[in-house]
Amino acid sequence: KAGVTQTPRYLIKTRGQQVTLSCSPISGHRSVSWYQQTPGQGLQFLFEYFSETQRNKGNFPGRFSGRQFSNSRSEMNVSTLELGDSALYLCASSLVPGPDTQYFGPGTRLTVL
Amino acid sequence: DAKTTQPNSMESNEEEPVHLPCNHSTISGTDYIHWYRQLPSQGPEYVIHGLTSNVNNRMASLAIAEDRKSSTLILHRATLRDAAVYYCILRPSNDYKLSFGAGTTVTVRA
Repeated sequence: KAGVTQTPRYLIKTRGQQVTLSCSPISGHRSVSWYQQTPGQGLQFLFEYFSETQRNKGNFPGRFSGRQFSNSRSEMNVSTLELGDSALYLCASSLVPGPDTQYFGPGTRLTVL
Repeated sequence: DAKTTQPNSMESNEEEPVHLPCNHSTISGTDYIHWYRQLPSQGPEYVIHGLTSNVNNRMASLAIAEDRKSSTLILHRATLRDAAVYYCILRPSNDYKLSFGAGTTVTVRA
């Protein structure tokens, strides 16, 4: 069974631009979570989606948003990019929401110049 | 979020066992103990989890203290591919997210 896939793997943007990252969960998994990883803050939870609905959100500004499609694929969007948004963005999928085991993708490395 | 304490780093020789400690003195009765690892340039990878009893799988063993205030992840025979950051995470049974700490960086010497 294929794992979680994320596209693109690497991205370079400039301040003020916006970016969209994509995540395809493991087949049959319906819950998708997003995390941001930076050297200073470590891994931090962004948001979680299930059945096309955002169920939970971490402590991030409104510039960070996401959505989930009917096939469980998810996208996250960051608008008005700042230098501090440079990070590894990780997507994780699980069968259902809650404490089910989460399986992570390889991440998208975003660099903001 | 309940906190865990792990050593910053550990070194091991190839083909020797590795014992990774984790202290979680404020653990509550509904907290599961999860271990993930992150290899360089990859996303975190699930290793094992448990509640009260020791657990074994193909990757590792998890030994949980009787009072549940500490646990140990055991890699039975370390290989170079086991070099990674290992995260010990407490996750309440009704929690939707993983709260990662700094983890333990494991180095394996050939």
